[in-house]
Amino acid sequence: DTAVSQTPKYLVTQMGNDKSIKCEQNLGHDTMYWYKQDSKKFLKIMFSYNNKELIINETVPNRFSPKSPDKAHLNLHINSLELGDSAVYFCASSLQGPDTEAFFGQGTRLTVV
Amino acid sequence: AQSVTQPDIHITVSEGASLELRCNYSYGATPYLFWYVQSPGQGLQLLLKYFSGDTLVQGIKGFEAEFKRSQSSFNLRKPSVHWSDAAEYFCAVGAGGSSYKLIFGSGTRLLVRP
Repeated sequence: DTAVSQTPKYLVTQMGNDKSIKCEQNLGHDTMYWYKQDSKKFLKIMFSYNNKELIINETVPNRFSPKSPDKAHLNLHINSLELGDSAVYFCASSLQGPDTEAFFGQGTRLTVV
Repeated sequence: AQSVTQPDIHITVSEGASLELRCNYSYGATPYLFWYVQSPGQGLQLLLKYFSGDTLVQGIKGFEAEFKRSQSSFNLRKPSVHWSDAAEYFCAVGAGGSSYKLIFGSGTRLLVRP
């Protein structure tokens, strides 16, 4: 069983569209994250949720809206997509606290044309 | 502010040769340090982590890393590289307490010559 799974793996869409990426973890973790990896491979946190509560919102445009229906799911909805949103988006999960490791999904490659 | 620096963008080694990937961090408190590997088109896999205790930590796939507080470094090593080790390697520091997050370095791409 995949520990952290994201869908879709690839997403190609036009500017201005709205799209969602889904993430599910079966590890029983309390905390989930969204990271963005840009074209230069740089990884940066976007959001984190702990038990469905937003903990981190790292200066992300409000076109990006995470939603956590339960602690095993963290979805990312993006409105009015722009060319600059093209990136690989990774979902991750961990237990709560700094001395824990994060488990990552396979990533969603978003291409905005 | 917390940060992680990986000074080498690319490293090329011959198969069977030893490897060292450099990582320097800036963090005020006791750091929680990680090395992740990303194979092409894949997610990130944890190689090893340091939280406390022995400063030489062993990881998967024959990797090890040494934490040196005096140098603010956490370099990754492998005595003999295999072609399958070709990938992108990321060093990260766990930071933020209750607002916990990983702060990543910019990555080092490892190329392996046959």
